Amino acid sequence: NAGVTQTPKFQVLKTGQSMTLQCAQDMNHNSMYWYRQDPGMGLRLIYYSASEGTTDKGEVPNGYNVSRLNKREFSLRLESAAPSQTSVYFCASSESRTANYGYTFGSGTRLTVV
Amino acid sequence: QKEVEQNSGPLSVPEGAIASLNCTYSDRVSQSFFWYRQYSGKSPELIMSIYSNGDKEDGRFTAQLNKASQYVSLLIRDSQPSDSATYLCAVTTGGGNKLTFGTGTQLKVEL
Repeated sequence: NAGVTQTPKFQVLKTGQSMTLQCAQDMNHNSMYWYRQDPGMGLRLIYYSASEGTTDKGEVPNGYNVSRLNKREFSLRLESAAPSQTSVYFCASSESRTANYGYTFGSGTRLTVV
Repeated sequence: QKEVEQNSGPLSVPEGAIASLNCTYSDRVSQSFFWYRQYSGKSPELIMSIYSNGDKEDGRFTAQLNKASQYVSLLIRDSQPSDSATYLCAVTTGGGNKLTFGTGTQLKVEL
């Protein structure tokens, strides 16, 4: 049972390049989330999906897009990477359509934009 | 005012002592409260959840909730060096659709 799987684990991009961060969960969870974590800023919500077919903006959505491909997969796309998007990105999932049971996190993607 | 506030620390305690971590939140309608542990370079791991006022104990961990004061705490008894990590407080917001996290308190347990 893998839980929440994120790929890649590390990535270096040049300013202006695009990339997609992949996330998949095998726990039959309903809701999925993307956070970024920066020193001194804590975890900040980028986008979330309460159920298959729905997505909503979080606290810091600018510069990102998401796709809930199916119940298992939730991807995060950077269309034109900027140095301000250098961060550690975490995907998480929750059993219910709300966050009331807490999250299970993936292992993270460490992204550097130069 | 931040939605979830924690003292960033570091909080240093000797091995075997009780570590006390605190968190305040601003959304009065929040219903669910969590403590996550995060080791350096790793992802957050859920260690405690609490939903009603009072104490909840699980092994060496006790979570305390006071909704009237909008205050959540985590006590770690018999602290071990392996407890050295950053502890994140998380609270449901947005009608329960998401978690808002504090910036975390770094705990150091010294031999």
